[in-house]
Amino acid sequence: AQKVTQAQTEISVVEKEDVTLDCVYETRDTTYYLFWYKQPPSGELVFLIRRNSFDEQNEISGRYSWNFQKSTSSFNFTITASQVVDSAVYFCALSEARIQAGTALIFGKGTTLSVSS
Amino acid sequence: KAGVTQTPRYLIKTRGQQVTLSCSPISGHRSVSWYQQTPGQGLQFLFEYFSETQRNKGNFPGRFSGRQFSNSRSEMNVSTLELGDSALYLCASEAGARSGTEAFFGQGTRLTVV
Repeated sequence: AQKVTQAQTEISVVEKEDVTLDCVYETRDTTYYLFWYKQPPSGELVFLIRRNSFDEQNEISGRYSWNFQKSTSSFNFTITASQVVDSAVYFCALSEARIQAGTALIFGKGTTLSVSS
Repeated sequence: KAGVTQTPRYLIKTRGQQVTLSCSPISGHRSVSWYQQTPGQGLQFLFEYFSETQRNKGNFPGRFSGRQFSNSRSEMNVSTLELGDSALYLCASEAGARSGTEAFFGQGTRLTVV
């Protein structure tokens, strides 16, 4: 069965600290996609990053970076030099490439990040 | 380019009533998915429509239904409302037919059942 686990429910940091959000996933498929979305208080989910199962290269995009390790089924997300505007709920999500799965996203329970000044 | 529009933003209904929520996807997007978000269960997939056909359905009772029109706009309907249906209902649209593309979400409809 497919599952996404975000063990951290809430994280509080002070501005300029680095913060890593953990995500562990389960799937039987060999082809799948992993995502991170951010949900600010306004409610809409905002796409941050995507990775497919065949690309374990870790990258940095501005203040965001991610660490994808298939061996441990983890897809962690790091914000460097956090800012107050980063305060939001962050969701890790999985989608499988099977045709029957369509575009359905399986979400973790989310991690609430609070950044104080 | 206009984003995903969901109407209404807020709704209060009484137990036993039915409700219809609307979602207008980004122009040109043919895939529309619906999600329910509650504090207890988190974000859960309801169903997905592509070219007016339901392609995938989550684990929800038959009281939850949806449809998609030829212009890709989608509606979801919940009949015989229960208190537990109180939630934020999010709609997402995607350009492609396959997984792996970026989903664009609306701001949601906050449904309160009293």
